[in-house]
Amino acid sequence: GAVVSQHPSWVICKSGTSVKIECRSLDFQATTMFWYRQFPKQSLMLMATSNEGSKATYEQGVEKDKFLINHASLTLSTLTVTSAHPEDSSFYICSAIPRGSRGNTIYFGEGSWLTVV
Amino acid sequence: GNSVTQMEGPVTLSEEAFLTINCTYTATGYPSLFWYVQYPGEGLQLLLKATKADDKGSNKGFEATYRKETTSFHLEKGSVQVSDSAVYFCALRGGSQGNLIFGKGTKLSVKP
Repeated sequence: GAVVSQHPSWVICKSGTSVKIECRSLDFQATTMFWYRQFPKQSLMLMATSNEGSKATYEQGVEKDKFLINHASLTLSTLTVTSAHPEDSSFYICSAIPRGSRGNTIYFGEGSWLTVV
Repeated sequence: GNSVTQMEGPVTLSEEAFLTINCTYTATGYPSLFWYVQYPGEGLQLLLKATKADDKGSNKGFEATYRKETTSFHLEKGSVQVSDSAVYFCALRGGSQGNLIFGKGTKLSVKP
């Protein structure tokens, strides 16, 4: 079946540094990918919609200069958390819609746990 | 705007008990509705879905019926197992871009 892979699964970084999370669709092309974050005991909140070849669309309240999203190809989107702070510690998860699908099928990555110390 | 409300957890049941997790939604138009499951330490997995009113989604013994008159999509299973212990998320998709709107999740613990 279709698979979306995220890397890394776990990352610990120092406050003030930047960290990049990759989201890859392994056996399909995805024109649209989504980035979510999930705080403990909270729901997943959409951060941004990533479209291949164009700028990401950010949700209200999400700082685009802090959470840089690059969708450089039809199989890869990256989320870079810049100048990370402890409050950025969270579970980040991506999802992708296969190109050409009707859109009712959405595949999720395994998620990435970020801890900023 | 669109929103999803699901019952607060945690829910603790004994093996073979009947499960219901309530989910109601607010949306314009005719959204598609989903239940996702997140097992400990893993990512989200689609459990079942329904795309129009009166559709019933089913998978692994779980069922949910799209009820437009009550704007609900309650998840049910007749006999839960310890392996069903996970967090369950109700979600809807109504936007043109395809993003999902999730409920807060309900943690289910099944005891042997």
